[in-house]
Amino acid sequence: EIVLTQSPGTLSSSPGEGATLSCRASQSISSTYLAWYQQRPGQAPRLLIYGASRRATGVPDRFSGSGSGTDFTLTISRLEPEDFAVYYCQQYGSSRYNFGQGTRLDIK
Amino acid sequence: QVQLVQSGAEVKKPGASVRVSCKASGYSFNDYYIHWLRQAPGQGLEWIGWIDPKTGGTDYVQKFQGRITMTRETSISTAYMELSRLNSDDTAVYYCARDSSWGSPIHLTDYWGQGTLVIVSS
Repeated sequence: EIVLTQSPGTLSSSPGEGATLSCRASQSISSTYLAWYQQRPGQAPRLLIYGASRRATGVPDRFSGSGSGTDFTLTISRLEPEDFAVYYCQQYGSSRYNFGQGTRLDIK
Repeated sequence: QVQLVQSGAEVKKPGASVRVSCKASGYSFNDYYIHWLRQAPGQGLEWIGWIDPKTGGTDYVQKFQGRITMTRETSISTAYMELSRLNSDDTAVYYCARDSSWGSPIHLTDYWGQGTLVIVSS
């Protein structure tokens, strides 16, 4: 099983600043099959990014994804109050699918 | 618009069973697989399995096999998940989620239900 390790565990930032979240895979995965989700407190996860860099419908362009192989990044520019949440990366496909443990983005 | 609406919170005793429903609207129910996942308090996301609404075919994560049953009722666009022999470790929020791929599951989920809290307590 490919393990996804997210870092940092918690990131503290201020509104208006940027944030960079990391997801590292224990083996190389196709960027076609890497997604990011946002989970606000008390809410269900929301798909943000798929195919490593493609924004899902309705996702603001301050969210961007990048990476390949074993290292992937979610970048949020100009943090808004509603962006403070937990973020999960996920590999997906027909037979391989699992989440990272999450990064909590807190208000500094 | 696509919506998945789940049934309400449940409190169950150890050894009991729970059934959670997930009613879909805004798209053709038969065309997209439904996944079930759960999230224990303060923890991450855990896959449980999926159901093909068109055929009723299912695939369960090995951990839950023998205790999980997923069904659907196409006439009312509703999927169900039943978990039996509950124990305290099953306390979690249970989610249904739609697979984004038409016709076959790729485990990329684009719409989620609001979640159903299941508490197992004596």
